[in-house]
Amino acid sequence: AQKVTQAQTEISVVEKEDVTLDCVYETRDTTYYLFWYKQPPSGELVFLIRRNSFDEQNEISGRYSWNFQKSTSSFNFTITASQVVDSAVYFCALSEIYNQGGKLIFGQGTELSVKP
Amino acid sequence: DTGVSQNPRHKITKRGQNVTFRCDPISEHNRLYWYRQTLGQGPEFLTYFQNEAQLEKSRLLSDRFSAERPKGSFSTLEIQRTEQGDSAMYLCASSLEAGVNTDTQYFGPGTRLTVL
Repeated sequence: AQKVTQAQTEISVVEKEDVTLDCVYETRDTTYYLFWYKQPPSGELVFLIRRNSFDEQNEISGRYSWNFQKSTSSFNFTITASQVVDSAVYFCALSEIYNQGGKLIFGQGTELSVKP
Repeated sequence: DTGVSQNPRHKITKRGQNVTFRCDPISEHNRLYWYRQTLGQGPEFLTYFQNEAQLEKSRLLSDRFSAERPKGSFSTLEIQRTEQGDSAMYLCASSLEAGVNTDTQYFGPGTRLTVL
C-alpha cells in the first residue's frame, strides 16, 4: 500500500538557518510522482515541486532544493537561509499514476516555524 | 489567470443539517478532486472526476456524501445529516490530464465546515 511519512511534526529555526524537511514514501508502483506543497496560515495549499520516479536529478530553485533518492525512498526538501515568510506547514505527497487516477497521498505535514 | 475557487469559505451548521459546497476548477482542467483535511493532518482523498464522470470514491465518502460535476465544469459536494465528525476543511483541486501523464493538482482555498 502507498504511504508517505514525514517524521518531523514541528521544526523551529532562527532566520538564515538552513533547514531540511524529511519525506519517506512507500509504493509498489514503478511509475509515480512526488510532490511538495506549502500550506501557509491562510490555508491554501501552494504547489512547490513535482518529480517523477524516473528522474532522480536533484533540483534547485532559488533557496529551495530537493534531494530525491529512490534507493532510500526519500524525497527531502531543504530551505537555505530560511526567512520568516517560510513559516508554514509543508506536505510531501505521492501519486501513483496508472492505477489510482492520480490522487495524492499526503504525509502528515511538517510545521516549520522560522523566528526572526 | 483564474485559479481554483471554492464557496463558501466558511460554513457553520447544526448537526443534522445538509450542506453543499461548490468548486470551480481552472477552466481548461478536466480532472477535479475533493479532499478533506482535519486539524493537524494531511489532506485525505475523497473522490475525483474526469470531466463529468466520477471515477473513484474513497471509503471516507459515506452514503451521506454525494458529489457531482454536471457538464464537466464546476462541482458540488453535499453532506446530508451532518455530524460533528464532519467538521473539517474541504479542499478542491484540479488538474489537466493528457494520456498517461499526470499533471500537477492546483488547490483552491478550501471550505471550512464547523458542525455544532
